[in-house]
Amino acid sequence: EVQLVESGGGLVQPGRSLRLSCAVSGFTFDDYAMHWVRQAPGKGLEWVSGINWNSSEMAYADSVKGRFTISRDNAKNSLYLQMNNLGLGDTAFYYCAKDVSRWALLPVDCWGQGSLVTVSS
Amino acid sequence: QSVLTQPPSVSAAPGQKVTISCSGSSSNIGNNYVSWYQQLPGTAPKLLICENNQRPSGIPDRFSGSKSGTSATLGITGLQTGDEADYYCATWDTSQSVGVFGTGTKVTVL
Repeated sequence: EVQLVESGGGLVQPGRSLRLSCAVSGFTFDDYAMHWVRQAPGKGLEWVSGINWNSSEMAYADSVKGRFTISRDNAKNSLYLQMNNLGLGDTAFYYCAKDVSRWALLPVDCWGQGSLVTVSS
Repeated sequence: QSVLTQPPSVSAAPGQKVTISCSGSSSNIGNNYVSWYQQLPGTAPKLLICENNQRPSGIPDRFSGSKSGTSATLGITGLQTGDEADYYCATWDTSQSVGVFGTGTKVTVL
C-alpha cells in the first residue's frame, strides 16, 4: 500500500523557518518525481514545488521562489520542504504528492494526509 | 502566475449529469495533458482523470474527461450524493515551468 506521511508542521511566527518532511512507503521512491501542493483553509489547491527523480530538476511557484527549497533523500525514501521567511500567506495544509513519472510535470496520483502550517504572531 | 479558470459551482439532481469546464491557455492546457482531482470534505484530493481522458484503476466510468484546444471538461453522469465534493483541474505550464491548478468547482447534488 502506498503511503505518504507528512510531518513538521505547526505554529510559527512570521519571518521564521520550518522544515516539512514526507516519509513514503509502498513504491520505489527513486522511480518517481514528487511535489508539494498547499491549500489555505477554505481555499483551493496551489502547486508549490516539484522535484524530479534524481534531484537534477526542481521547480517552484513564484509565490515561494527564493524562500522555499525542495529536496529529497532517495536512500531514506523522504521528501522535504525547507520554508524560510514565512509569511501570513503561507498558512495552509501542505500535501506531499507522488508524480506518475520520473519527471515533475504532473499529474500526481497519490497524496499524503497533509500537514498544517500556521504562520501567526 | 497562471491559473486555470473553473466555474465556482455546479449542481444537479441525483442521477443527472454535470459538466465542469477548465479554461487555460496555449502554454498550459493547449500543450500539456490535463488531470482532474476530487476532494471530498476534510480529505486529501484524489486523482480522477489523467492524460485528458484516462481513468486510473478503480475510478468508475461515470467520470469522463475531454480536452479541446485550451479548455478541458470533466463530466459526471449518474450523479450520486457521494459525488458532492470540490473538483480541480491541473496541468503543467510549459512557458513558466510550473504546475497549475484550477480555481475549483463545488458540485452539489440537489
